[in-house]
Amino acid sequence: GAVVSQHPSRVICKSGTSVKIECRSLDFQATTMFWYRQFPKKSLMLMATSNEGSKATYEQGVEKDKFLINHASLTLSTLTVTSAHPEDSSFYICSAKDSANTGELFFGEGSRLTVL
Amino acid sequence: QKEVEQNSGPLSVPEGAIASLNCTYSDRGSQSFFWYRQYSGKSPELIMSIYSNGDKEDGRFTAQLNKASQYVSLLIRDSQPSDSATYLCAVSSGGSYIPTFGRGTSLIVHP
Repeated sequence: GAVVSQHPSRVICKSGTSVKIECRSLDFQATTMFWYRQFPKKSLMLMATSNEGSKATYEQGVEKDKFLINHASLTLSTLTVTSAHPEDSSFYICSAKDSANTGELFFGEGSRLTVL
Repeated sequence: QKEVEQNSGPLSVPEGAIASLNCTYSDRGSQSFFWYRQYSGKSPELIMSIYSNGDKEDGRFTAQLNKASQYVSLLIRDSQPSDSATYLCAVSSGGSYIPTFGRGTSLIVHP
């Protein structure tokens, strides 16, 4: 299957700072990537759909000014958590579909954010 | 509102037994069905996809789809302790659509 790489895997930051998470498709081009958030023992929550060369589409209730998404190339999408607060602490996971368009999602390794 | 329902579990089975995981969905137009495995603290990993009614087998895993009943299941034969994880069911209306995920079923395989 397709390989999606995410970095960093863990990050600890102080409240009020911003954190950038990168998501790369390593062996395929992804015009669309997806960002999820998962709290402990909870289900995956889709935050936004990242579209190469255009604005991201955010799910209801997700603050676009707080969670900045940039999809500048066909292999890279970034999520920036701005002015992070402790309640933003979570597991953030990106995913992408490969060109076969079977609907299968391939996930990055995830990034665990802890805001102190 | 598209919904995908799974029993959260935990489902506990002895090593060597068959584990049966179930999922129901609300959208009759759904065309693509997936099972993901997620170990604690890790991201989901695709283990099976199924697109037509019937059974699909891959090693110890069998996915079963019944569109009339809006039901998809995953059977794990000869369960191993390493199969202990949360299994996520995902359903989409086709390749261009974002899958909707269930909450997942926690499986515990005890020695």
